[in-house]
Amino acid sequence: GNSVTQMEGPVTLSEEAFLTINCTYTATGYPSLFWYVQYPGEGLQLLLKATKADDKGSNKGFEATYRKETTSFHLEKGSVQVSDSAVYFCALSPYSGGYQKVTFGTGTKLQVIP
Amino acid sequence: DTAVSQTPKYLVTQMGNDKSIKCEQNLGHDTMYWYKQDSKKFLKIMFSYNNKELIINETVPNRFSPKSPDKAHLNLHINSLELGDSAVYFCASSQPGTSGSYEQYFGPGTRLTVT
Repeated sequence: GNSVTQMEGPVTLSEEAFLTINCTYTATGYPSLFWYVQYPGEGLQLLLKATKADDKGSNKGFEATYRKETTSFHLEKGSVQVSDSAVYFCALSPYSGGYQKVTFGTGTKLQVIP
Repeated sequence: DTAVSQTPKYLVTQMGNDKSIKCEQNLGHDTMYWYKQDSKKFLKIMFSYNNKELIINETVPNRFSPKSPDKAHLNLHINSLELGDSAVYFCASSQPGTSGSYEQYFGPGTRLTVT
């Protein structure tokens, strides 16, 4: 079956530090890959996505590149802010004409301190 | 305009009671979901409906019964509530993109506390 593995948190960084949150996946075919962010007390919201190999998703200074050879989709940001403190989820959506469930990782909590 | 809304936002109840959570989406999506998020933030899919038809039914106790009166609404009824049902329940909707990806749009969540 499909699976997503992401690094355990919490990750604590100082403001303006570089961020990497690792995500690897197992899936057949060519899934779409996503990063979702959950701010305290809110629902998840899409941060970025990539639908084919070598695509780079980007949003709000965050980036992730779909690497099929390493089955990875690591999230990066060059300079984090306190407002980036949240839980980040990596996810995959199988490529299929039918209706298959999205598989989420376990989430990585990021704390950014001033 | 709220894309995916849920009511209530908080629900505190006693063991053995029956409760319902309502969800509505105004995105015109065909597919809706219920997820359960535990205290460690682990997200687990419970059900999915497409155009009012059940398409995903994970291993969930049959005390949980979803109902979709139309494709914009997906409600969750829970009978005989147990302590272990305490969690945050999220409703979501999606529409497959041209690549077949199912980007999810989440509601704000309902925090259920069973005492």
